[in-house]
Amino acid sequence: DVKVTQSSRYLVKRTGEKVFLECVQDMDHENMFWYRQDPGLGLRLIYFSYDVKMKEKGDIPEGYSVSREKKERFSLILESASTNQTSMYLCASSLGQAGRFQPQHFGDGTRLSIL
Amino acid sequence: QKEVEQNSGPLSVPEGAIASLNCTYSDRVSQSFFWYRQYSGKSPELIMSIYSNGDKEDGRFTAQLNKASQYVSLLIRDSQPSDSATYLCAVNKPTGGFKTIFGAGTRLFVKA
Repeated sequence: DVKVTQSSRYLVKRTGEKVFLECVQDMDHENMFWYRQDPGLGLRLIYFSYDVKMKEKGDIPEGYSVSREKKERFSLILESASTNQTSMYLCASSLGQAGRFQPQHFGDGTRLSIL
Repeated sequence: QKEVEQNSGPLSVPEGAIASLNCTYSDRVSQSFFWYRQYSGKSPELIMSIYSNGDKEDGRFTAQLNKASQYVSLLIRDSQPSDSATYLCAVNKPTGGFKTIFGAGTRLFVKA
């Protein structure tokens, strides 16, 4: 079974802090994704990566950056946290070239509160 | 028009009934289709994948795909209260990388 592990289930930070959310997958997947999910807005893609050191902007990249130094690890960075970034953050991964045929597998999510 | 559309619900069915969840998509060249179940406060969990026209059965779940009509559905037979969740339809775009487009989800409530 695919295992996607997010470093924290719950996190509380203050406005202006730099926040790091970590995600690790153990299935040698090439593709990794960060989403946020808010009531009534569904899943929104922030960034994704299809290879080490590669990244692509999703639909809502503003205020976020990412890092992929190793294949198994994809980090989401909130450069200067703001209250409107309070949300559930979900990491997912999928196979590489076959990714167009393969589903994404999600971690348990991090519920982030910015005070 | 949204790329993947679902009725938000809630869809309420009695225990033991068949729940029918529907989804339409806009990109005619889409190739891969998925159903996820998401319990409140939890992350989405993959329950079905379908790639070819027709039906695919897995236990109490049946996914149905009609590419000509750009329509995919999920049937849940013998619905149980534990099936109460939000069901997300997802479609892989063949272009623009390997992104998956998710519908907003249909809330299902199974009454005991």
